[in-house]
Amino acid sequence: GQNIDQPTEMTATEGAIVQINCTYQTSGFNGLFWYQQHAGEAPTFLSYNVLDGLEEKGRFSSFLSRSKGYSYLLLKELQMKDSASYLCAVRDDTGRRALTFGSGTRLQVQP
Amino acid sequence: GAGVSQSPRYKVAKRGQDVALRCDPISGHVSLFWYQQALGQGPEFLTYFQNEAQLDKSGLPSDRFFAERPEGSVSTLKIQRTQQEDSAVYLCASSLEEGTRSPYFGPGTRLTVT
Repeated sequence: GQNIDQPTEMTATEGAIVQINCTYQTSGFNGLFWYQQHAGEAPTFLSYNVLDGLEEKGRFSSFLSRSKGYSYLLLKELQMKDSASYLCAVRDDTGRRALTFGSGTRLQVQP
Repeated sequence: GAGVSQSPRYKVAKRGQDVALRCDPISGHVSLFWYQQALGQGPEFLTYFQNEAQLDKSGLPSDRFFAERPEGSVSTLKIQRTQQEDSAVYLCASSLEEGTRSPYFGPGTRLTVT
């Protein structure tokens, strides 16, 4: 089976840095995705990792360690508009195209 | 439009009614997915199409759920005899062929069964 864990809620201050962790146990691995989802809206793609290491994209970075089944999303220079849910999702290597999502981390950015 | 569109955006159904939810994927996208997202949870996979072929329907929760994509573009998710536990947001996503990293999600249809 597949199991993905991430914290339910986090709070951070505007301008600060926050790290959202995700651990996974899956039947094989073929990529990890991070999405941002504002309330009532579609998930929007943030990052993709399939090899170990750090992927940086502007204020957002994502890290992957396949041996540890671990990823994190790093958000720098937090802005109020970053208040949203952040979803971690994994694709397995069975050829199945579906993504398995975690329950999401609700981030609240405070002034 | 340039993105995935879904209709209706909101649907209220009485328990026992049938509903049909529509997805218009991005033009030219071969792959199409349906996900169900309960309040406060992440999306859960329902079914997957490659063109008109339904290659994976392992996530459909019961035989009351049925999806089709007869011409390989627009897709419809039908739920028969709706029940309260069917209340959720139904997300559609589409992507190009193999090698695409992430599907593009539509805004979803929020279904409320009363």
